[in-house]
Formats: sequence, structure tokens, C-alpha cells
Amino acid sequence: SQTIHQWPATLVQPVGSPLSLECTVEGTSNPNLYWYRQAAGRGLQLLFYSVGIGQISSEVPQNLSASRPQDRQFILSSKKLLLSDSGFYLCAWSLGTGYTFGSGTRLTVV
Amino acid sequence: GENVEQHPSTLSVQEGDSAVIKCTYSDSASNYFPWYKQELGKRPQLIIDIRSNVGEKKDQRIAVTLNKTAKHFSLHITETQPEDSAVYFCAAIKNSGNTPLVFGKGTRLSVIA
Repeated sequence: SQTIHQWPATLVQPVGSPLSLECTVEGTSNPNLYWYRQAAGRGLQLLFYSVGIGQISSEVPQNLSASRPQDRQFILSSKKLLLSDSGFYLCAWSLGTGYTFGSGTRLTVV
Repeated sequence: GENVEQHPSTLSVQEGDSAVIKCTYSDSASNYFPWYKQELGKRPQLIIDIRSNVGEKKDQRIAVTLNKTAKHFSLHITETQPEDSAVYFCAAIKNSGNTPLVFGKGTRLSVIA
């Protein structure tokens, strides 16, 4: 069966520090992969999605970037975090329609 | 592109009553409509979905209805229980496989015991 792993679960980082969040999927090939951010009490903001290795679509211009170095690996990065980057980051995968979300990373930038 | 509007943003019901959450979409080509439930601090989880060739789908206390003409779909929860309290998101997508789901902004449902 398919599983999605996302880590770390929580992260506290100072302003200006770098960020790397990793997401991996098991049990499937060539999934579509997504990064979402959710501010406290708010909706799901799509940040990036990827339909294949090296293919990244950005939905929102910001100081974040994404990479897909392997078929089942999706990485969210930042060179310098801002206070506004705080939030709940969710990775998700799909093979067309329904999404399965990872357990999320709660990022607090201080 | 697709735009999904969801109402209400908050909803409080007494335990045992029904709850209805409504969504409208703009792209008549959208043909897949999932609903997600997100409990506090947890990931969203798919609870029910419907495709455009069906008008209604039911799973125990949860049902979804779709009106393609009006571009409107709704989530119905009957006999609500405290554990139904959560944020619910509707979404829509064209079944092309490579475009992201478009989510509504969510409805915070509180079931009062």
C-alpha cells in the first residue's frame, strides 16, 4: 500500500535561517506531488506541485523553492526564513484525483 | 481557472442535528469533487467524493450531492456527533490528472453536546 512520510513534525527556526522539509512517498510510481501551507485557522494554500522528476510549478511567488530530485521525493526549501513563513506545511500525493496528505510540519519562525 | 467558494465559514449545530456545507465551482469542465475533514492539528483526510456522472453519494451519516447545471455541490452530515467537529474543505478538479485540486476556504463545524 502507498504511504507518505513527512518530517520533521515540528520545527522552530530563527528568522534568516535556512529551511529544508522533506517528503517521500512509498508504494507508487510517478505520483503528482504537492506542497501546501496552512496559516493558523486558515485554508490550504498551494505552494508548489510536481508532475515528474525535475518538474516544478510554483503557485505563489515567495522566498520558498521546491525540488524533486527523485520520483518519490519532494523537498521544500528556503535560504532565509521570514516570520511570515510560519505555518503548517503539508505534503500530498495523488495519481490523478484524490489526494493523500502527509502528517505535516508545524514551522515556527522566531 | 477554477474557483471554489464554500459557505458557511463557521457552523454550530446541536448534537443529533444535521449539518450542511455548500460549495460552488466556476469551471464547468470540473468533474471530481472530494470533501476533506481536518481535525485540530491533524492532516486533512478524504471523507467522501463524487464524480460528475453521479448526482448523489452516501456513506453512513455522510452524503454529498452534486448539481452540475448550477455548478453546486453540498456535504450533508446527519445525526451529528461531537467527533464530527472539525474543519471541512470542499475541492474541485478536472480529471486530467495533472492539475491541482482547487480547495474552498473551509468550514469550521462545531457540534455542541
